[in-house]
Amino acid sequence: AQSVAQPEDQVNVAEGNPLTVKCTYSVSGNPYLFWYVQYPNRGLQFLLKYITGDNLVKGSYGFEAEFNKSQTSFHLKKPSALVSDSALYFCAVRVSGNTGKLIFGQGTTLQVKP
Amino acid sequence: NAGVTQTPKFQVLKTGQSMTLQCAQDMNHEYMSWYRQDPGMGLRLIHYSVGAGITDQGEVPNGYNVSRSTTEDFPLRLLSAAPSQTSVYFCASSYSREKSYEQYFGPGTRLTVT
Repeated sequence: AQSVAQPEDQVNVAEGNPLTVKCTYSVSGNPYLFWYVQYPNRGLQFLLKYITGDNLVKGSYGFEAEFNKSQTSFHLKKPSALVSDSALYFCAVRVSGNTGKLIFGQGTTLQVKP
Repeated sequence: NAGVTQTPKFQVLKTGQSMTLQCAQDMNHEYMSWYRQDPGMGLRLIHYSVGAGITDQGEVPNGYNVSRSTTEDFPLRLLSAAPSQTSVYFCASSYSREKSYEQYFGPGTRLTVT
């Protein structure tokens, strides 16, 4: 069965420090992977995706993610965190087949302290 | 483009009442879906549709109905509201064929059932 895991409920980091939000996945076939961000009382916003090609994917707001096939991981990273990055982050994987259906992880709250 | 719109933003229902949550998109997306978001449980798929006239159940379909008579609209009906359906509901849409698959989310409907 296809699944996504985000092992950390919350990640705390000081402003200016690098951040990592972890995601591992289990899929059959080649994975299509996504990161979304949710600010308080808002819908989810697309950050970045991995479909194929370079393992390091760059996205919105200075975020990037590294696809690691051997470790089945797709961790979200940013070199220097901002207080405004504080939000809820979701990793997702596309279900195989031509439906567009995604499976989401549980979400990780990122708290960036000044 | 308005993107994905949802109405209402907030709703309070009494147990046993019925109502319809509206969702519309103007991006000509084939795929539309409904999720519910509950604390600590991430996003759970309720129902989805890969095109007009085609719907299917997701992870948590009980107590909900959907229909897709047009490409643009995908309403979610609560047949007889229960307190367990208190949640935030998100509608999303995307292309389902080989384009990008990233989903666009509406702003959400916060539903309370008393």
